[in-house]
Amino acid sequence: AQSVAQPEDQVNVAEGNPLTVKCTYSVSGNPYLFWYVQYPNRGLQFLLKYITGDNLVKGSYGFEAEFNKSQTSFHLKKPSALVSDSALYFCAVRPNTNAGKSTFGDGTTLTVKP
Amino acid sequence: DVKVTQSSRYLVKRTGEKVFLECVQDMDHENMFWYRQDPGLGLRLIYFSYDVKMKEKGDIPEGYSVSREKKERFSLILESASTNQTSMYLCASSLGLYTDTQYFGPGTRLTVL
Repeated sequence: AQSVAQPEDQVNVAEGNPLTVKCTYSVSGNPYLFWYVQYPNRGLQFLLKYITGDNLVKGSYGFEAEFNKSQTSFHLKKPSALVSDSALYFCAVRPNTNAGKSTFGDGTTLTVKP
Repeated sequence: DVKVTQSSRYLVKRTGEKVFLECVQDMDHENMFWYRQDPGLGLRLIYFSYDVKMKEKGDIPEGYSVSREKKERFSLILESASTNQTSMYLCASSLGLYTDTQYFGPGTRLTVL
């Protein structure tokens, strides 16, 4: 069975500092990995995905994530956080052998303080 | 831009009522999904559909059914609502099943009294 772990329920950073939101996964076969963001009272919005190729993926709003196969991780990063980045972040994994069935992590609340 | 709309933002129903949640997408996507979102549990897949009249169970299908009579519309049905089905329900669509991004609606917050 596939699974996703977001080990931190909450991440707090100061504006201008780098941020990292962690994600590790377990899946059979090669993974397709996604990050989504949810702003208050809104649906989820796509940030970035890893399918194949370069392990460093760049996405929306200056976010990036690095796929690390040996550590089965896909951490989300941003060099300089903004207050407007404060939101709930979800990591998701979909194996290349199981069409349609994505597994989402429990979510990490990011708070960026001025 | 892809637009996924859900029929209600907030819904209050009584135990035992039959509840319909409607979702419409405007991008001719093949695939549509229903999730429920609960604090600390993330998103859990209830059902998905990869074509008109086709459906697959997700991780938590018990107590739910779905209907997809037209490509753009995917309905979630609670045959007899129970209090443990109080939750946020999110609909999503995607073009492909494997690598494609899912586009989400704004969600329906359902309260069952």
